[in-house]
Amino acid sequence: NAGVTQTPKFRILKIGQSMTLQCTQDMNHNYMYWYRQDPGMGLKLIYYSVGAGITDKGEVPNGYNVSRSTTEDFPLRLELAAPSQTSVYFCASQSFPTGRGEAFFGQGTRLTVV
Amino acid sequence: AQSVTQPDIHITVSEGASLELRCNYSYGATPYLFWYVQSPGQGLQLLLKYFSGDTLVQGIKGFEAEFKRSQSSFNLRKPSVHWSDAAEYFCAVGELQTSYDKVIFGPGTSLSVIP
Repeated sequence: NAGVTQTPKFRILKIGQSMTLQCTQDMNHNYMYWYRQDPGMGLKLIYYSVGAGITDKGEVPNGYNVSRSTTEDFPLRLELAAPSQTSVYFCASQSFPTGRGEAFFGQGTRLTVV
Repeated sequence: AQSVTQPDIHITVSEGASLELRCNYSYGATPYLFWYVQSPGQGLQLLLKYFSGDTLVQGIKGFEAEFKRSQSSFNLRKPSVHWSDAAEYFCAVGELQTSYDKVIFGPGTSLSVIP
């Protein structure tokens, strides 16, 4: 079972470049999330989606954009990369909105902006 | 505001020794509580969760956690640690928002296991 798949695993960007982090899940989950993980800070929510065509901001959305055209895909876009966006990015999905469901995580994308 | 603290940034234990990882939360109502484990280079995997009922919950890989409302704690325990348990452990608290699950993660505790 594939679960949640993120690509790429690693990427180095120059300041001002743009890129898209891909996330795909094959569990037919409605709820999908993008987090960033910084050392000693835990995970912070960037954006989330409760279904195809519906997205909203999390705690730290500045500098990012998302779209959700299908249930399976939830790409994260960085338009003008900045050093502050150096982080590890995780995509997650779950089937229930109530907190009772288990969130399934991808393996992460390690992004360095230089 | 809701928050989660994990007082220990890093813990080292010997293989076969017992383990307790601390987690404290700040939340007004009864929270949903989780422990996740992150092995090197991997995403997070759910170890166990508490929603209601029995305050001692069992998880995968021989882990358990106890919810203590009076102490606002949800400590993770394992009676005998294996070398493969070396990883980063995250405590998290969840609450139902109007549209999605808001889950707040603690900063994590890194566990090293000495053979």
